[in-house]
Amino acid sequence: DARVTQTPRHKVTEMGQEVTMRCQPILGHNTVFWYRQTMMQGLELLAYFRNRAPLDDSGMPKDRFSAEMPDATLATLKIQPSEPRDSAVYFCASGRTGEIGRNTGELFFGEGSRLTVL
Amino acid sequence: GQNIDQPTEMTATEGAIVQINCTYQTSGFNGLFWYQQHAGEAPTFLSYNVLDGLEEKGRFSSFLSRSKGYSYLLLKELQMKDSASYLCAVRNTDKLIFGTGTRLQVFP
Repeated sequence: DARVTQTPRHKVTEMGQEVTMRCQPILGHNTVFWYRQTMMQGLELLAYFRNRAPLDDSGMPKDRFSAEMPDATLATLKIQPSEPRDSAVYFCASGRTGEIGRNTGELFFGEGSRLTVL
Repeated sequence: GQNIDQPTEMTATEGAIVQINCTYQTSGFNGLFWYQQHAGEAPTFLSYNVLDGLEEKGRFSSFLSRSKGYSYLLLKELQMKDSASYLCAVRNTDKLIFGTGTRLQVFP
């Protein structure tokens, strides 16, 4: 049963610490997305990759957030230094594009990483 | 700019029908998605519309009018397990931009 895997599931840290979240997309998917979800803002797109190339990270605070995809099986989202306002659930999602005329674009979400910054 | 609007909360009774509306104004459009998200869980795909009209899938149907920037999700024969948030999302090239979601509570 193919699924997107995220680690850690829960993370509690102190302000100023570095946080790294990891995601293993579904094998064969060529797009990977990072979203952040809060009660107030809903699901916000932070960054996304197609074929491992970063395409859009305009939703991400550049001074403290960075997203990378070192290989096709791993995507990372790093926050350094973390702040209390970063507390949220971070979701990774993967999908497959390029099949014109088909029902594509569906994203498969991981279980999320719940981050609490004290 | 991107703007996707949904009601924040709705309530309904078990066995009833409920319609959740979504209006959007986006710089690009390649389709509209509905996702379901139970509390504490990941969003899961429900439906996809790229052409105008109604798509039916079991108890769930989704409608799209591109000229009006409008979609709705129709849930029939409501069950208690349908209590969840329902997220409307617009695809712009590869990106899915989500609305803030509608929390639906189903009562016995």
